[in-house]
Amino acid sequence: AQKVTQAQTEISVVEKEDVTLDCVYETRDTTYYLFWYKQPPSGELVFLIRRNSFDEQNEISGRYSWNFQKSTSSFNFTITASQVVDSAVYFCALSEALSYNTDKLIFGTGTRLQVFP
Amino acid sequence: DTAVSQTPKYLVTQMGNDKSIKCEQNLGHDTMYWYKQDSKKFLKIMFSYNNKELIINETVPNRFSPKSPDKAHLNLHINSLELGDSAVYFCASSQTGQGAIDEQFFGPGTRLTVL
Repeated sequence: AQKVTQAQTEISVVEKEDVTLDCVYETRDTTYYLFWYKQPPSGELVFLIRRNSFDEQNEISGRYSWNFQKSTSSFNFTITASQVVDSAVYFCALSEALSYNTDKLIFGTGTRLQVFP
Repeated sequence: DTAVSQTPKYLVTQMGNDKSIKCEQNLGHDTMYWYKQDSKKFLKIMFSYNNKELIINETVPNRFSPKSPDKAHLNLHINSLELGDSAVYFCASSQTGQGAIDEQFFGPGTRLTVL
């Protein structure tokens, strides 16, 4: 069955520290997509990244970077030089294909990141 | 200007009542979704509609009935509300086709409290 595991329930860091949020997934599909979403204290869900299973290149966007490793079924997210505004719950998600143009997202349980000044 | 909007943002009601949550997207997407987020922040899909057709129904009690009058709207009607229905409900939309799966854009959420 499709599954996403975010083993870290809560992480606390001090501003300017680097922090990595882990995500491990299970899937039977050969083609799939992985996502990260951010949920700040205000409650909305903000899309961060989508990664195709055929693209294992790491991605960097400003202070954010993602490490996708199919060999270990992991899609980890690193925030460099964390800031207080990074405090949020971060969700990793996996797409489950139901047909060629229909899918659903399987979410992990989220990691709450608290960045202290 | 809002991409995915939901109304109301907060809904407080008594057990046994019937209520509706509305969702609209102006992104031109063809697929819309309803998710439920419980008190432990766990997010689970409930329904998905593609071009007004129901394509996902995740073992949700039939007290929940989604309605899609057109592909820009997906409303959620809940009958005979129960305490366990208290949660945040998120609407989302995405564009599908060509075998690719695009990101889903979420609305701001509706916090439902059943007393």
